[in-house]
Amino acid sequence: SQQGEEDPQALSIQEGENATMNCSYKTSINNLQWYRQNSGRGLVHLILIRSNEREKHSGRLRVTLDTSKKSSSLLITASRAADTASYFCATDLYNFNKFYFGSGTKLNVKP
Amino acid sequence: GAVVSQHPSWVICKSGTSVKIECRSLDFQATTMFWYRQFPKQSLMLMATSNEGSKATYEQGVEKDKFLINHASLTLSTLTVTSAHPEDSSFYICSARGPSRNTIYFGEGSWLTVV
Repeated sequence: SQQGEEDPQALSIQEGENATMNCSYKTSINNLQWYRQNSGRGLVHLILIRSNEREKHSGRLRVTLDTSKKSSSLLITASRAADTASYFCATDLYNFNKFYFGSGTKLNVKP
Repeated sequence: GAVVSQHPSWVICKSGTSVKIECRSLDFQATTMFWYRQFPKQSLMLMATSNEGSKATYEQGVEKDKFLINHASLTLSTLTVTSAHPEDSSFYICSARGPSRNTIYFGEGSWLTVV
């Protein structure tokens, strides 16, 4: 990808389990955002974490950011079948007018 | 809330023809818009950054003569795929930077099929 990689590429879990996705990026950023995409559809914004923040929560989502390692993680707790989708991190370099996506993680939550 | 409208959602065109996709910010002025292409089962690749009143900035490897981007007003950016070929078939999606610079709003995307 243009800015970084996500792992795993694919993740299959049972309903109720937690899902963790990791994102690494290459350059300094202003903020990092996570998105969800259902197959063939548009993007749904999940959460934004600024470069001076280390952790953020929103409902069942927990995002961490380690700027020293240029990495972020997204944790979805108590997953549901409806969480099945592809998840992407995106890095905002607004000082350079760039907004790049990571390679994505395809999550499958089995009922 | 802020909305970005992208049109058309689906388009089929013949090889060799040109097709235009529009991206509109409906209730805010967008000085910057981004255009992405996404192939099946892949990530979104930034094609270019569109700035109102100036030339677009293209990412490395993107043919600017093939993918013409115009940002003539603060609410409208267009992507024209010229002389389209079947390999240009893809999902194209635009986004606009909102009034708060941290916020990016995405259109719903456009499926292009070139036959």
